[in-house]
Amino acid sequence: EAGVTQSPTHLIKTRGQQATLRCSPISGHTSVYWYQQALGLGLQFLLWYDEGEERNRGNFPPRFSGRQFPNYSSELNVNALELEDSALYLCASSFSGGANEQYFGPGTRLTVT
Amino acid sequence: GQQLNQSPQSMFIQEGEDVSMNCTSSSIFNTWLWYKQDPGEGPVLLIALYKAGELTSNGRLTAQFGITRKDSFLNISASIPSDVGIYFCAGLDNYGQNFVFGPGTRLSVLP
Repeated sequence: EAGVTQSPTHLIKTRGQQATLRCSPISGHTSVYWYQQALGLGLQFLLWYDEGEERNRGNFPPRFSGRQFPNYSSELNVNALELEDSALYLCASSFSGGANEQYFGPGTRLTVT
Repeated sequence: GQQLNQSPQSMFIQEGEDVSMNCTSSSIFNTWLWYKQDPGEGPVLLIALYKAGELTSNGRLTAQFGITRKDSFLNISASIPSDVGIYFCAGLDNYGQNFVFGPGTRLSVLP
């Protein structure tokens, strides 16, 4: 069974640009979560989508947004990139609802120069 | 909001030694998850705990859901070099809506 997949693996952008990161959940999972992990730090919760709807949002500015598609894949968009947005962005999926075990993808390393 | 603390922050051990780390909070959590993250990769789920007092093993790993529901412990027996990584705990918040992640324990295994 395929795990959570994320693309691209690496992304290099300049300050002010927009970045789009993609995630495909494990088959059968309808919840997708996004986390930011800055170098050497823990996971900071960004967004949770379930059944196509945004269910919860972490303490991040509105320029971090996303959506979930009918096939449950998800996209994270970061507008007006800042240097401090450089981080590993991790996607996780679970069965519907926030109380289920989350399985992570390999991450997208975003570098803002 | 609810927060988790992990200790120790980092540890260096000799290959073959047993390891113990914990995750604590001032709040009650429902369900505890333990993850391991290798450098540059996503965390991998190791063990899930659902009931206070529960003790669960996965190979050389054993984790316990604290009886007060405010803590959890992870033990690794007979450590090997591939145990190197960052171990994260995650607790399900009171609303049952989100997992809160601890800051991680960085484990180094010396040959």
